[in-house]
Amino acid sequence: GAVVSQHPSWVICKSGTSVKIECRSLDFQATTMFWYRQFPKQSLMLMATSNEGSKATYEQGVEKDKFLINHASLTLSTLTVTSAHPEDSSFYICSARQGAEAPFFGPGTRLTVL
Amino acid sequence: RKEVEQDPGPFNVPEGATVAFNCTYSNSASQSFFWYRQDCRKEPKLLMSVYSSGNEDGRFTAQLNRASQYISLLIRDSKLSDSATYLCAVNMVDSWGKLQFGAGTQVVVTP
Repeated sequence: GAVVSQHPSWVICKSGTSVKIECRSLDFQATTMFWYRQFPKQSLMLMATSNEGSKATYEQGVEKDKFLINHASLTLSTLTVTSAHPEDSSFYICSARQGAEAPFFGPGTRLTVL
Repeated sequence: RKEVEQDPGPFNVPEGATVAFNCTYSNSASQSFFWYRQDCRKEPKLLMSVYSSGNEDGRFTAQLNRASQYISLLIRDSKLSDSATYLCAVNMVDSWGKLQFGAGTQVVVTP
């Protein structure tokens, strides 16, 4: 199946700093990727749809100025959490679709903000 | 009402037994459904897509009931390695690949 990677797999940062998370499709081109967030003991919540070459589409309640998404190529989308605070600590997961197949998920990035 | 609902469990299942659980969805226009498996602190991994006619993959059987708006997953001959959280996912009608997840059903298979 298709492979999606994320980097870093975990990150610890101080409150107020910005953190960039990369999502790559390794063996296919993805014009659309999706970013999810999962808090402990909760399900995945869609944050935004990342579109190659155009602006991301954010879900209701997700601050676009806080969660910056850039999809500059067909294999890379980045999510930057700006001015991170402890409440942003979460498991961030991206997914990408290949044609009509079900989406594949990256391994996730565990963010801890101190 | 949540758009995708699952019984959180846990379902404690003896090894070798059968377990089944459902997932209900609220949007009658939904067309595509999936079951994902998520292990602790890992990403979801696709278990199977759910087709209208129902489908089977080894010990796993998925069914779709459009009239009552639910999908189901049945696991036969449970293995210890089946212990995980099973996430129901419904593709949102406006974009392929954009998924709405249930909170997950925890399955614990015991020796």
